[in-house]
Amino acid sequence: GDSVTQMEGPVTLSEEAFLTINCTYTATGYPSLFWYVQYPGEGLQLLLKATKADDKGSNKGFEATYRKETTSFHLEKGSVQVSDSAVYFCALSVEGYNFGNEKLTFGTGTRLTIIP
Amino acid sequence: NAGVTQTPKFQVLKTGQSMTLQCAQDMNHEYMSWYRQDPGMGLRLIHYSVGAGITDQGEVPNGYNVSRSTTEDFPLRLLSAAPSQTSVYFCASSYRAGGAYEQYFGPGTRLTVT
Repeated sequence: GDSVTQMEGPVTLSEEAFLTINCTYTATGYPSLFWYVQYPGEGLQLLLKATKADDKGSNKGFEATYRKETTSFHLEKGSVQVSDSAVYFCALSVEGYNFGNEKLTFGTGTRLTIIP
Repeated sequence: NAGVTQTPKFQVLKTGQSMTLQCAQDMNHEYMSWYRQDPGMGLRLIHYSVGAGITDQGEVPNGYNVSRSTTEDFPLRLLSAAPSQTSVYFCASSYRAGGAYEQYFGPGTRLTVT
């Protein structure tokens, strides 16, 4: 079956540090890959996505590149801010699953805390 | 647009009680889903719907029922609450954009079953 493995947290960094959160996946088909972010007390928000190999998704200074050869989609940011403190989820979906609803398979989440 | 709304935000039930978690969206999305979030387990799909009148089970459907009479609403019913159903519940609606379905999540309902 499909699965997502994320770097375990929690991760604590100082402001302006470089961030990497690792994500690898296994999928029976050709997946689309996502990063979602959950701020305290809120639902998940889509942060970025990539739908084919070598695509780079980017948003709010975050980036992730779809690497088919290593089955990875690592999240990076060059200089983190206190406002980036949140839980980050890597997820995948495979087209055609469940009548086109494209069920999301999530990783377990990585809690990130940025210290001023 | 309000997006995806969920009520209530918090609920405490006793074992054996029943209740309905409400979910509504105003984006005219055909696809809607219910997930539960438990510590260390990410989100797991309970039920989903691809349109009014059509629902199906996800990976953890036991103890939950759903119906979809309109495009906007997708309530989740707990028939006889159990402590194992203590969790945070998220409703989502989705549409296809840029080659993949993007899901929009509600703010969640935190349920405690004692």
